[in-house]
Amino acid sequence: DVVMTQSPLSLPVTLGQPASISCRSSQSLIFSDGITYLSWFQQRPGQSPRRLIYKVSDRDSGVPDRFSGSGSGTDFTLKISRVEAEDVGVYYCMQGTHWPHTFGQGTKLEIK
Amino acid sequence: EVQLVESGGGLVQPGGSLRVSCVASGFTFSNYWMGWLRQAPGKGPEWVANMKQDGSEKYYVDSVKGRFTVSRDNAKNSFYLQMNSLTAEDTALYYCRSGAIWGQGILVTVSS
Repeated sequence: DVVMTQSPLSLPVTLGQPASISCRSSQSLIFSDGITYLSWFQQRPGQSPRRLIYKVSDRDSGVPDRFSGSGSGTDFTLKISRVEAEDVGVYYCMQGTHWPHTFGQGTKLEIK
Repeated sequence: EVQLVESGGGLVQPGGSLRVSCVASGFTFSNYWMGWLRQAPGKGPEWVANMKQDGSEKYYVDSVKGRFTVSRDNAKNSFYLQMNSLTAEDTALYYCRSGAIWGQGILVTVSS
């Protein structure tokens, strides 16, 4: 299985400051169609995961533009330009290129 | 409103069976892959199974192969997970998912 490794696992951030989460895969996530199926999810306490980003950098409808995704091959990053209180939760990267699709361990974002 | 609603969870004894269902609304169900994921208490999400629009392709994570079966009824906008030979390790919140859309989850508890 493809192993997804996130860092950091804990991310204390001051309100209004930027935040960045790294995700590395154990093998390339470029599918045979040339698309890289790497997504980012946010899970607030007590809620279902919510997809923020798909195909590395495409933002889902309704997701604030302070969230952005980047990367290629095996290295990916989720950035939040200015953290707000509602961003508290656990963030997961997920690869959808190789079956079984796999998630990173999760990064817990909290407000300092 | 676009949504997925799971049902059918509950408490089951080890070795028992359970079927969970997912009903879709607000989008053209028959156009999309559907998936089941689960999340054990305090853990990250894990893919369980995936099914193509017409049911011609199904994929299972190794830990459930031979025990779990996915199916769908496009006429009823419904997606199912039949779970047999359940063990304590199958205890989790089970989500159905299509792309960006997740259900609210249904709890399956395997215990004597």
